[in-house]
Order: sequence, then C-alpha cells, then structure tokens
Amino acid sequence: EADIYQTPRYLVIGTGKKITLECSQTMGHDKMYWYQQDPGMELHLIHYSYGVNSTEKGDLSSESTVSRIRTEHFPLTLESARPSHTSQYLCASTTLGGPGELFFGEGSRLTVL
Amino acid sequence: GQSLEQPSEVTAVEGAIVQINCTYQTSGFYGLSWYQQHDGGAPTFLSYNALDGLEETGRFSSFLSRSDSYGYLLLQELQMKDSASYFCAVREGGNTPLVFGKGTRLSVIA
Repeated sequence: EADIYQTPRYLVIGTGKKITLECSQTMGHDKMYWYQQDPGMELHLIHYSYGVNSTEKGDLSSESTVSRIRTEHFPLTLESARPSHTSQYLCASTTLGGPGELFFGEGSRLTVL
Repeated sequence: GQSLEQPSEVTAVEGAIVQINCTYQTSGFYGLSWYQQHDGGAPTFLSYNALDGLEETGRFSSFLSRSDSYGYLLLQELQMKDSASYFCAVREGGNTPLVFGKGTRLSVIA
C-alpha cells in the first residue's frame, strides 16, 4: 500500500482565494509529481521535482507554484483561484531509476466558485 | 512531439478476454507502463515493459513491440470490478516524467 497522502480531499472556495494543496510521502522517494485530471479525462503533468530544491514545470500551463524544501513534502499553491482551476489534483511519487512505478495519492478535488 | 493513442472506450462481457491497445510516438523510449483507475479513485500501477514480449501478472498481461511502437494490455476472465479506465504511459528518457495516454474506459457487462 502506498504511503502518500494528500489534503484536503475536497475543497470548495471562492474566486481569488489563495490555496495550498498538501502532499506528503513516507517512502523516501526523490521524484514527486503533480497531475491535474478532470473526471474521466487524461492526466496532465503540471509540476515535478527530482529532489530537494528541485522543481520543474510540466506540459500543462499552470498558474500554480510548488516547493520542495523537504524530501517528503511537495505542496502545490494557487495564489488566486479561478473557476478554470476546478479539477482534481493528483500527487505521485517514485524512486530514481528503475521502472518508475508511480504511487498516487487519493487526490484533492477542488471546486472554485 | 509525443503522442499515445488508445481506444477511448471498450465494452466486454464478464468472463471474457479483452485487449486494450496502445501505440506511441515519442522522441525516446525507456518503457511502457499501464495504470488502472476506478471512478473517483487514484491510478494504480499494473505493469511495465521495457523489452519486447509478454509480461504476465495474474489475470493481466502486457505486451510490447518496440519496433512497432505498440503495446497492449490483456485482461482475462473479466470481472465486474475490472470496469475502470486504463492508461498506457511511456517514459521517454531514463529520468523523465511519464507521458500518459488519454485512457480507455472499460465497461464489463453481465
């Protein structure tokens, strides 16, 4: 069973609010990722990190930011939420090298009114 | 650019066998993975192929042909609980993020 946790699971907020989605893993994985996924749709990579103080933007243009100050923690922040940010955000992690099996968190479902 | 093609929907009968195909066009190739995702759930890893051939894990098997840029996921003895979305994913480089296909929604009917 994967030890990767996301909070909150569900969040409803108003436009313009700042929010942070938390992701923590206890597996000691170096690589961590954030994906955005609408129901029944494909996964879009928005940010990733290969270790502490390393962050990269993914393929999907995003107005979010991430930080990686500790190996186990990879929070995602939206400075000013908009209705277009309504989606599910999935955090994942894996080890460096190898087949790279991704372990996903349960997701944070965000609704911006 | 990179692209992965898989059917959007497949329907199969309980107890039957179903094959979900995936073709890919990527700048590099380090392996093909498959993930399962139930409605409202998180994706979970099913299999990984780095070399040509068939990998078997219980009722699920995955095949890869690198020369054809093609792979498939084979599900045998289908059960209702296999109804889910299945995503193929390619790693283009040794340390690059996975690129996911758009997913195939499998419906298992009685």
